[in-house]
Amino acid sequence: ILNVEQSPQSLHVQEGDSTNFTCSFPSSNFYALHWYRWETAKSPEALFVMTLNGDEKKKGRISATLNTKEGYSYLYIKGSQPEDSATYLCAFQNAGNMLTFGGGTRLMVKP
Amino acid sequence: DVKVTQSSRYLVKRTGEKVFLECVQDMDHENMFWYRQDPGLGLRLIYFSYDVKMKEKGDIPEGYSVSREKKERFSLILESASTNQTSMYLCASSLPRSVTFQETQYFGPGTRLLVL
Repeated sequence: ILNVEQSPQSLHVQEGDSTNFTCSFPSSNFYALHWYRWETAKSPEALFVMTLNGDEKKKGRISATLNTKEGYSYLYIKGSQPEDSATYLCAFQNAGNMLTFGGGTRLMVKP
Repeated sequence: DVKVTQSSRYLVKRTGEKVFLECVQDMDHENMFWYRQDPGLGLRLIYFSYDVKMKEKGDIPEGYSVSREKKERFSLILESASTNQTSMYLCASSLPRSVTFQETQYFGPGTRLLVL
């Protein structure tokens, strides 16, 4: 079983703060790295799919970077808002087609 | 928009009962998956299916079986529910990698199962 780790497990920030969290994954046999956002009582939704070393993706105030050589990805949220409160999941995709998920980072943004 | 639906949001069952969790997707996806999510452990793959009547074991298949009689429907079966199967169960679907190259999965809202 592949080891995909996310840190921190949970995070409390004030509205307006910028924040970031980490996903680490195996650096061998890499195919893609996925980020999902999972809001309470909703379905997890895909945020980004990243495939190339050095990739940066952005969607509004959320961005992500990828380093496949050292096996990590950062997710950044600029100016956090209460609606950003969710669990953020990363998933490592290897050449075998399966996704291996990390444990998630639970973000809570206080107004 | 892809829609993946699950038959129940919450279920309470007794130890030893047979439990069926149903998942339906409306986007003609070939791939379907069942995961369970437990605090701190992330999503763990139970079973997946690449086609009708086809199934493959994931990382934690013990105590579960699946059925895929139609392309849009993938059922997870707990033959004899036990308390350690209390969990959140998530279904997902995706296009085959031959089409998309990346395995973006589309999830249902989850079923929270409590086994007493």
